[in-house]
Amino acid sequence: QSALTQPPSASGSPGQSVAISCTGTSSDIGGYNYVSWYQQYPGRAPKLMIYDVSKRPSGVPDRFSGSKSGNTASLTVSGLQTEDEAYYYCSSYGGSSNLVFGGGTKLTVL
Amino acid sequence: EVHLVESGGGLVQPGGSLRLSCAASGFTFSLYWMSWVRQAPGRGLEWVANINTDGSGKYFVDSVKGRFTISRDNAKNSLYLEMNSLRVEDTAVYYCALNNNWRFDPWGQGTLVTVSS
Repeated sequence: QSALTQPPSASGSPGQSVAISCTGTSSDIGGYNYVSWYQQYPGRAPKLMIYDVSKRPSGVPDRFSGSKSGNTASLTVSGLQTEDEAYYYCSSYGGSSNLVFGGGTKLTVL
Repeated sequence: EVHLVESGGGLVQPGGSLRLSCAASGFTFSLYWMSWVRQAPGRGLEWVANINTDGSGKYFVDSVKGRFTISRDNAKNSLYLEMNSLRVEDTAVYYCALNNNWRFDPWGQGTLVTVSS
């Protein structure tokens, strides 16, 4: 049940693209296609942005995309907008009906 | 619209107990796993517990095993988290969430639990 590893911060200018990585192990990210990404504004509840590695819930802009290679998942935000400035958390199923989150990444839009 | 509302948070002394509730609406509650996730002040998200549809399967993060229990009342569309032997490090906002194949959506607004003497 070790936390997934995310960079503490990421940044980009409006209109640019930024990728946030999430590294786990073969027991979580590498073993299952149940990676999700959540967006959280300070003082607010998290919001699901990506699930099953690369699927977008209804209402989430297609500027948000997800992928996975081996034990590392990535969230890419294209065409950055000021409202994308928030914290982003990855999660993965970890087997035995357990779930693990990443430590979170603060995305700053410069 | 799917809606989750937590309640029951508050200030409790170390070693004390607290019971959180989560009222669900807008979906067939009995068909879905449910989960609790917490967030300590200024920290990241931590999965706490899952419960399956009929309550026969309960799963916990190691740090709360033996102290917390999760339950549900499908007739009342409600989820619960019973927290005993509380520690200072259990201080956090506790969220309930609908667990649909390991994607948590939606989340409640959260309830703050503060463990302090």
